Amino acid sequence: GDSVTQMEGPVTLSEEAFLTINCTYTATGYPSLFWYVQYPGEGLQLLLKATKADDKGSNKGFEATYRKETTSFHLEKGSVQVSDSAVYFCALSDLIQGAQKLVFGQGTRLTINP
Amino acid sequence: ETGVTQTPRHLVMGMTNKKSLKCEQHLGHNAMYWYKQSAKKPLELMFVYSLEERVENNSVPSRFSPECPNSSHLFLHLHTLQPEDSALYLCASSQDVLSGALFHGYTFGSGTRLTVV
Repeated sequence: GDSVTQMEGPVTLSEEAFLTINCTYTATGYPSLFWYVQYPGEGLQLLLKATKADDKGSNKGFEATYRKETTSFHLEKGSVQVSDSAVYFCALSDLIQGAQKLVFGQGTRLTINP
Repeated sequence: ETGVTQTPRHLVMGMTNKKSLKCEQHLGHNAMYWYKQSAKKPLELMFVYSLEERVENNSVPSRFSPECPNSSHLFLHLHTLQPEDSALYLCASSQDVLSGALFHGYTFGSGTRLTVV
């Protein structure tokens, strides 16, 4: 079945450092790809998405490019802030009877120190 | 305001209790989902409803019983739970793609933190 693998956390960085969180996927078709973020005590929020190969999703300084040849969707940010501390989930979509099922990676906890 | 509201935010229940979790969305979506999030485990999809019909049940124990009376509401009825059922239960909604709409991902609620004692 479809699956998503993220780099293991936790990841700890200093403020203004460059961030990369790796994500690779296995899918039989051409799924859409997503990054979700979960701040402490909250549900997941959509951060960015890409629907086809070579698409780049971006939001709040974060970017990820849909790479079909390497089946990857790595999350990057050039200069992180303390407020970016959260858990990040990579996900792909799988269609079942009209409903889009999201398959999530295990999540990567990010901590940014001042 | 996320558009998906879950109540209660926190729930403590004994193993012999019966309780229900409620999820409500005002986004016009017609697919709804229950996920379980436990510490140090990946998000587990429990139930999927599309157009108020259950389309997936991922081998969830019968002590969890979902109900979707209309496209805006989703319930999770709980009875005789075990301590290992303690977790954050997340509800989400989306627009079904058969209507021709593009899929924009899920909108999640803030979750119900459940503790079984």
